[in-house]
Amino acid sequence: KAGVTQTPRYLIKTRGQQVTLSCSPISGHRSVSWYQQTPGQGLQFLFEYFSETQRNKGNFPGRFSGRQFSNSRSEMNVSTLELGDSALYLCASSLAGTTYEQYFGPGTRLTVT
Amino acid sequence: AQSVTQLGSHVSVSEGALVLLRCNYSSSVPPYLFWYVQYPNQGLQLLLKYTTGATLVKGINGFEAEFKKSETSFHLTKPSAHMSDAAEYFCAVSRETSGSRLTFGEGTQLTVNP
Repeated sequence: KAGVTQTPRYLIKTRGQQVTLSCSPISGHRSVSWYQQTPGQGLQFLFEYFSETQRNKGNFPGRFSGRQFSNSRSEMNVSTLELGDSALYLCASSLAGTTYEQYFGPGTRLTVT
Repeated sequence: AQSVTQLGSHVSVSEGALVLLRCNYSSSVPPYLFWYVQYPNQGLQLLLKYTTGATLVKGINGFEAEFKKSETSFHLTKPSAHMSDAAEYFCAVSRETSGSRLTFGEGTQLTVNP
């Protein structure tokens, strides 16, 4: 069974631009979560989507948004990029919820210049 | 609110020695606890998890962890370190009502010396 895939793997953007990251979960998984990983703040939860609905949201500004499609694929969007948005963005999928194992993708490395 | 504290941002052991990575949590409700490993330029891989039942949990690659409610701890151990264990390890907590949301500790970088 194919794992979680994230595209693109690397991205360089300029301050003020916007970016869209994509995540394809494992087949059959309905929950997709997004995390931001930085050296200073560590791993922080962005949001979770389950059956196309946002089920949970972390403490990030409204510039960070996401959505999930009917095939469970998810995208996250960051508008008006800031230098501090440079990070590794990780996507994780699971069958349904907390007690189920979460499988992480390799991440998208975003650099904002 | 729930939180996770990992004691020691860097741990160094010799090959063949015991690995002990410490994790303490705070949670107002019974937690679900996880250990993940991250190799350079990769995502996170689940080593083991505790949800309910037996408090000693065995995971992949010879790792195990014990849930101790009285100490609010979930330390990760491996009897004999291998060079391939060198990586960053994260302890995480969630709870029934938080969906798939994981709260992670700061991480512990494990170095294995030959």
